[in-house]
Amino acid sequence: GQSLEQPSEVTAVEGAIVQINCTYQTSGFYGLSWYQQHDGGAPTFLSYNALDGLEETGRFSSFLSRSDSYGYLLLQELQMKDSASYFCAVTVGGGYQKVTFGTGTKLQVIP
Amino acid sequence: DTEVTQTPKHLVMGMTNKKSLKCEQHMGHRAMYWYKQKAKKPPELMFVYSYEKLSINESVPSRFSPECPNSSLLNLHLHALQPEDSALYLCASSQTTTSQHWFFGPGTRLTVL
Repeated sequence: GQSLEQPSEVTAVEGAIVQINCTYQTSGFYGLSWYQQHDGGAPTFLSYNALDGLEETGRFSSFLSRSDSYGYLLLQELQMKDSASYFCAVTVGGGYQKVTFGTGTKLQVIP
Repeated sequence: DTEVTQTPKHLVMGMTNKKSLKCEQHMGHRAMYWYKQKAKKPPELMFVYSYEKLSINESVPSRFSPECPNSSLLNLHLHALQPEDSALYLCASSQTTTSQHWFFGPGTRLTVL
């Protein structure tokens, strides 16, 4: 099976930078994705890493180290609307790719 | 249209009822998914459809029965549910099962009495 661990809660100040870590144990690893979910809302796609390194999309960046089974999501210039839950998700291969979500990190942005 | 729609938004049912959840997308995606999410927990994969064929069933009890009538529609038929089945049921789609960008619908909040 797969397991993905994230910190359960993170608090950061508006305008600051925050990093949300994800460590995973899995076989047949294909890639690591990140999703944002506001309370009562649907998960929305943020970023995907298949290869080691940094992917940047606006204020959000995601990093992957396959050798360390580790990734992180970096949020810059935090805004109040960034308060949400953030999930990493592992895609494992085979005939059909399967997705397992991490435990989730609730980010609270404070003024 | 980059939207996945789900109906109903809320559903309350008794343990002897039969109901269905509906999901629709018009993005031409050929992979569709059902997830179950309990409060403060991550989404858990239930079923995967690829080109209208069921490709993954994550050992879901038979009281949940998925159906994919065509490439745009996905249903989840519910029968004889238990109170512990109360959860948010999310539908998602992607271009294919090898795509890494999933589009999620807003979900159906199900309460089983």
